[in-house]
Amino acid sequence: GAVVSQHPSWVICKSGTSVKIECRSLDFQATTMFWYRQFPKQSLMLMATSNEGSKATYEQGVEKDKFLINHASLTLSTLTVTSAHPEDSSFYICSARAVRGTDTEAFFGQGTRLTVV
Amino acid sequence: AQTVTQSQPEMSVQEAETVTLSCTYDTSESDYYLFWYKQPPSRQMILVIRQEAYKQQNATENRFSVNFQKAAKSFSLKISDSQLGDAAMYFCAYRNRRRDDKIIFGKGTRLHILP
Repeated sequence: GAVVSQHPSWVICKSGTSVKIECRSLDFQATTMFWYRQFPKQSLMLMATSNEGSKATYEQGVEKDKFLINHASLTLSTLTVTSAHPEDSSFYICSARAVRGTDTEAFFGQGTRLTVV
Repeated sequence: AQTVTQSQPEMSVQEAETVTLSCTYDTSESDYYLFWYKQPPSRQMILVIRQEAYKQQNATENRFSVNFQKAAKSFSLKISDSQLGDAAMYFCAYRNRRRDDKIIFGKGTRLHILP
């Protein structure tokens, strides 16, 4: 299957700083990528849909100014958590959509554990 | 809005036995996909099985099979001959068939395999 790589796998940052998470599709082009957030022992909650070359679409309740998403190329989307606070500590997962014939299939990155201290 | 419900937060099964995980969903769409994803302790999401709504035949992948009841909006996962490596969090998920539509996940069922 296709490979999606997320970097970093884990990061610790100080409260008030910003941190960038990268999501790359290594062997396919992804016009659409998705960013999810997962709290401990909970499900994946969609934060936003990222489309190459256009603005991201955020889910209700997600602060677009806090979670900046950029999808500048067909293989890279980034999520920047700005002015991070301890409540932003979570597991962030990206998913990239690969075209398979007339349909698409989603592949997930390995996730990034963010700890804000 | 579409919703996915998993009513079993945790389940346990003896190694080599069979277990069934339940899932119901709600949608007004007619063309969609249903999935079961496995999330082991590594947190990597792994696709276990996928079902197209227009197909009446239940999907199977080796020891994994589903019971898809479209009218009842039910989509259960059966794991046969359970193995220790099957221990994980299992998420039922839904997606409209539109190309760039999002995947909606249920809350998950944690499966324990008893040796």
